[in-house]
Amino acid sequence: QSVLTQPPSVSAAPGQKVTISCSGSSSNIGNNYVSWYQQLPGTAPKLLIYENNKRPSGIPDRFSGSKSGTSATLGITGLQTGDEADYYCGTWDSSLSAVVFGGGTKLPVL
Amino acid sequence: EVQLVESGGGLVQPGGSLRLSCAASGFTFNNYWMSWVRQAPGKGLEWVANIKQDGSEKYYVDSVKGRFTISRDNAKNSLYLRMNSLRAEDTAVYYCARSGSYFPDYFDYWGQGTLATVSS
Repeated sequence: QSVLTQPPSVSAAPGQKVTISCSGSSSNIGNNYVSWYQQLPGTAPKLLIYENNKRPSGIPDRFSGSKSGTSATLGITGLQTGDEADYYCGTWDSSLSAVVFGGGTKLPVL
Repeated sequence: EVQLVESGGGLVQPGGSLRLSCAASGFTFNNYWMSWVRQAPGKGLEWVANIKQDGSEKYYVDSVKGRFTISRDNAKNSLYLRMNSLRAEDTAVYYCARSGSYFPDYFDYWGQGTLATVSS
């Protein structure tokens, strides 16, 4: 069981918008920054969002992040077949003194 | 260009040991926290350990405390993970990852991973 809760899968068609939720508690999301990662099949994870809503250089603005209370959301607009991947949220948990991840969300682009 | 290259994975029997290494290049290594993150076959990401720039602070996931030791050699731009008393559930791809300068709450660069398999 992951400390952070994500839906196992979401789906959408090319060109559409999708959101992926990540739910935690006051010891993690509620008081710390959230990051999001994309893992394409057979590759290492890649940072998409850090500090709740910041995009690293090279990440298109189709990807966005937000946080409210003890939950966070990743938004992807203008879906492309190349966005088919697993997506993970992560944050620091102050009670555990540990980085924690969500269980991951699989996104097929149908 | 930031590069992280892991090595040292392989097949080991339960109860055995492995030492993973990560060679870093393309950035000032001693300016960043560094971490190990693992992924069991077909499973999600699990953070394993991280270490502060000067090695003065180290944190571990509960399941590896007392068995794994993270260390770094800033002169060699290298990160290590010594894994003892290995169990079948430690079987995973182990990624070396760069964390932030101020706090290790995200990972902006990842290596390609090295597979550690614990089996008799």
